[in-house]
Amino acid sequence: AQSVTQLGSHVSVSEGALVLLRCNYSSSVPPYLFWYVQYPNQGLQLLLKYTTGATLVKGINGFEAEFKKSETSFHLTKPSAHMSDAAEYFCAVSRTSGNTPLVFGKGTRLSVIA
Amino acid sequence: NAGVTQTPKFQVLKTGQSMTLQCAQDMNHNSMYWYRQDPGMGLRLIYYSASEGTTDKGEVPNGYNVSRLNKREFSLRLESAAPSQTSVYFCASIPRDTGAPPQHFGDGTRLSIL
Repeated sequence: AQSVTQLGSHVSVSEGALVLLRCNYSSSVPPYLFWYVQYPNQGLQLLLKYTTGATLVKGINGFEAEFKKSETSFHLTKPSAHMSDAAEYFCAVSRTSGNTPLVFGKGTRLSVIA
Repeated sequence: NAGVTQTPKFQVLKTGQSMTLQCAQDMNHNSMYWYRQDPGMGLRLIYYSASEGTTDKGEVPNGYNVSRLNKREFSLRLESAAPSQTSVYFCASIPRDTGAPPQHFGDGTRLSIL
């Protein structure tokens, strides 16, 4: 079975500060990993994904994440937070084969303080 | 615009009433999913359909039924609504497994059961 743990249900940063949202996964097979963002009253939008190859993945809006197999982690970072980054962020995992459903973490709400 | 369309966007029901949530995608995707989102719980899979004519239970299927009407449409039915089913419901779809397909989400249906 696969699972995802997001550390911190709420993270608050100052505008211009580093954003770090933590995600650890559990998977018995090589995983596909995803980060999604949800703005208020909207659906989920894909930020980035890891499949195979380069372990540092760049996504939209200046976000990136690094797959660390030894730590079973896929933390999301952004060097400088903007007010527009305030949203809820979800980490998700799926198996590498077949169109299997995603397993989501419980989400981390990011607040950006001016 | 291509994408996943959910109807209705909002609905209020009384306990015991029934209703069907509709989802349609025009991207010729094979697999479709229904999730519910509750505060602090992330997204949990209710049912999914790997291809036309097939459906499978997810993590929280009790109280729901689904129909994969055709390749485009995947509906979710609440036969006798309960207050515990108050939630935001998201439909998603992906094409046939292409390695790491991100799920495309609709904007959600906000359902309140009194």
